[in-house]
Amino acid sequence: AQSVSQHNHHVILSEAASLELGCNYSYGGTVNLFWYVQYPGQHLQLLLKYFSGDPLVKGIKGFEAEFIKSKFSFNLRKPSVQWSDTAEYFCAVNAFGNEKLTFGTGTRLTIIP
Amino acid sequence: EAGVTQSPTHLIKTRGQQVTLRCSPISGHTSVYWYQQALGLGLQFLLWYDEGEERNRGNFPPRFSGRQFPNYSSELNVNALELEDSALYLCASSLAPLYNEQFFGPGTRLTVL
Repeated sequence: AQSVSQHNHHVILSEAASLELGCNYSYGGTVNLFWYVQYPGQHLQLLLKYFSGDPLVKGIKGFEAEFIKSKFSFNLRKPSVQWSDTAEYFCAVNAFGNEKLTFGTGTRLTIIP
Repeated sequence: EAGVTQSPTHLIKTRGQQVTLRCSPISGHTSVYWYQQALGLGLQFLLWYDEGEERNRGNFPPRFSGRQFPNYSSELNVNALELEDSALYLCASSLAPLYNEQFFGPGTRLTVL
């Protein structure tokens, strides 16, 4: 069975700081990888996704993530965060051909102005 | 283009009662997914429907059931409600199953007293 670990439960940063949120998954086969964001009072939105090809994927709002197959990781990064990035971030994975998305428990990001 | 819609927004029930939640997917999307977001447990996959058929089911008891209608909208039914069923229930939709990007609705907040 596939599983996803997000080790950072709550991250607090000042504006302009760099961000890296960890995501590790366990599954031996081909996977699709996603980062979703949930802003306060809003529904889940897709930040970025990896299906195949270049392991460095760029998403919306300046976010990017790198798929490192050997480490089973898909960490989310942003060079300079803004107060508006305050939200909960979820990493998700599904095995290729299986529509079930398995989510991590989420990381709450708080940006201090 | 309208996104995924869910009704009702909030619901309060008592133990033992039954509840029906509704979801309308994005126009053109044939797959509908249900997830439970309970406090401290993250998002957990409940059910996946495609073309009117249940395609996959998460690790939930049979009192969680649903269906998909010919217009691709979907219902989630929960019988014999228990206190631990209190959660945000999220519906997502996607194009035909080969397209794995799922778009989420705002959710229905269910409180069981």
